[in-house]
Amino acid sequence: DIQMTQSPSSLSASVGDRVTFTCRASQNINIYLNWYHQKPGKAPKLLIFSASSLQSGVPSRFSGSGSGTEFTLTISSLLPEDFGTYYCQQNYNFPRSFGQGTKLEI
Amino acid sequence: QVQLQESGPGLVKPSETLSLTCSVSGSINYYYWTWIRQPPGKGLEWIGYITDSGRTSYISSLKSRVTMSVDTSKNQFSLKLNSVTAADTAVYYCARDGGPWGQGILVTVSS
Repeated sequence: DIQMTQSPSSLSASVGDRVTFTCRASQNINIYLNWYHQKPGKAPKLLIFSASSLQSGVPSRFSGSGSGTEFTLTISSLLPEDFGTYYCQQNYNFPRSFGQGTKLEI
Repeated sequence: QVQLQESGPGLVKPSETLSLTCSVSGSINYYYWTWIRQPPGKGLEWIGYITDSGRTSYISSLKSRVTMSVDTSKNQFSLKLNSVTAADTAVYYCARDGGPWGQGILVTVSS
């Protein structure tokens, strides 16, 4: 099974900051990588699919990059509504697997 | 835009069977239909998938206790998890592989 590892586990930042999250896969997953954002009490929301494609309706301040085993999610200028936890998920094969999450505090 | 909605008991006794149903607003044909869970305060765990033909795959750690089924006439798929313990307390989400997700349902295992 593919293991996904996210860093850091938590991050504190200010409105207007540029932040970057990292996700590493235990084996090559090409670009089969999704990023989700979850707020407390809500279902995760898909932000990025195929490592760098922006889901419809997601603001352009979010961007993703990477391929193979290393991936990043960047928020160019933080807004207050960006707090919450960010998860990566590989959809290269089954079983699907998630990273442990990065909790962003504004 | 397809929508998903979980339903089922919010409280299950230890050693009994957790049963949930996911109702899909559109056709359940094609795609992989999945269940994912999230224990309180913890991360996401992918449980498994089922297809419209009934083909399934489950995560190895739950394989001995999980059964998924599909009812294409009702556009529904279901999850059964037997011999539950407190460790199975979680929000359970149904989702189409790649999205969208249901809103989730909290299932508590307690006597």
